[in-house]
Amino acid sequence: SAVISQKPSRDICQRGTSLTIQCQVDSQVTMMFWYRQQPGQSLTLIATANQGSEATYESGFVIDKFPISRPNLTFSTLTVSNMSPEDSSIYLCSVVSWGENTGELFFGEGSRLTVL
Amino acid sequence: SQQGEEDPQALSIQEGENATMNCSYKTSINNLQWYRQNSGRGLVHLILIRSNEREKHSGRLRVTLDTSKKSSSLLITASRAADTASYFCATNNGTNAGKSTFGDGTTLTVKP
Repeated sequence: SAVISQKPSRDICQRGTSLTIQCQVDSQVTMMFWYRQQPGQSLTLIATANQGSEATYESGFVIDKFPISRPNLTFSTLTVSNMSPEDSSIYLCSVVSWGENTGELFFGEGSRLTVL
Repeated sequence: SQQGEEDPQALSIQEGENATMNCSYKTSINNLQWYRQNSGRGLVHLILIRSNEREKHSGRLRVTLDTSKKSSSLLITASRAADTASYFCATNNGTNAGKSTFGDGTTLTVKP
């Protein structure tokens, strides 16, 4: 298992500003994953954060809007840039389990952003 | 329709009853997972079932998978008020272990 800590847990932001979310894992992992959950909806993968290389973004998500850093094997940040009310969501960091239960995802508690 | 559709969208039962949630998907999968989310918090993994498995148990949870019908079900037996949460299925096609496609979720309310 993995323990994932996210900061901030929640924030209220003004339109046009940017916010950086931090994710810390208690073990070294090759890949970290950033998901978004819009209000009342399911989770959508934003990007895969790879240590030592550029993040891989899913269709509909771009680096200019969601820049990601991955400075080491236990830490990643996701920035939500130039925010608008449509960016109000829960942003979740996750890592994947390997071995017997490959594919099981561990999630942080999420960062709930409200954009006014 | 999206990969990983679930029904019902909402389910309300009495404590002690069983709760069954269903998930359908469209493409081939390597595995299917079920997660629980309490009040918009982080998700907790419940069970992972592989494409070559048909049934899996974990405590009061029973998951079935029918790849011919591209569907799965999650059964929670002897439900408790603490089971009140949203439940999501997620599928993975095996190309990226961390890239799962989530269903819309079922909101379960267990009344004491």
